[in-house]
Amino acid sequence: GDSVTQMEGPVTLSEEAFLTINCTYTATGYPSLFWYVQYPGEGLQLLLKATKADDKGSNKGFEATYRKETTSFHLEKGSVQVSDSAVYFCALSPYSSASKIIFGSGTRLSIRP
Amino acid sequence: NAGVMQNPRHLVRRRGQEARLRCSPMKGHSHVYWYRQLPEEGLKFMVYLQKENIIDESGMPKERFSAEFPKEGPSILRIQQVVRGDSAAYFCASSPGTRAADTQYFGPGTRLTVL
Repeated sequence: GDSVTQMEGPVTLSEEAFLTINCTYTATGYPSLFWYVQYPGEGLQLLLKATKADDKGSNKGFEATYRKETTSFHLEKGSVQVSDSAVYFCALSPYSSASKIIFGSGTRLSIRP
Repeated sequence: NAGVMQNPRHLVRRRGQEARLRCSPMKGHSHVYWYRQLPEEGLKFMVYLQKENIIDESGMPKERFSAEFPKEGPSILRIQQVVRGDSAAYFCASSPGTRAADTQYFGPGTRLTVL
């Protein structure tokens, strides 16, 4: 079945470092891909999304490109801030069932000043 | 425009009691989804509802769990005879539709603790 595999955490970086969180997926057809962020004690917020191959989603300095040839949707940011500390979830919405979202297990990111 | 509302935010129940979790979708959204997040894990889809209809309940446990989204009022996730393994965060999401462009917006969650 459809699934998402993402880089295990926790990841700890210094402020202004470059961030990459890897995400690969398994799905039939053309799923939509998402990155969600969860701050401590809160619900999930959509960070960015891409609905077709080669689309690039971007928001708040974060970017991810839908790569069908490698079935990947890696999250990147050029210069992280302390406020980016959170748990990041890669997710997909299957082509056959756009009503559900399948999440990866999450990557906890900590940024030290 | 208020976001997705969930209440209560925290719920404590003893084994064998019932838990009722409420979700009010965003204004204009008629599609509601429930997800469960166990500690240190990602979210798992439970059920998808439209007004007065359950569309997809493939992620719901077969026993003790039920969900509804009545014509009037919030969506309710009901867990009967709770057990310790039900302790988790339960998130509700809503969307205006199910097209690829229709984002699911999540509520703050209800954290259920079973003693």
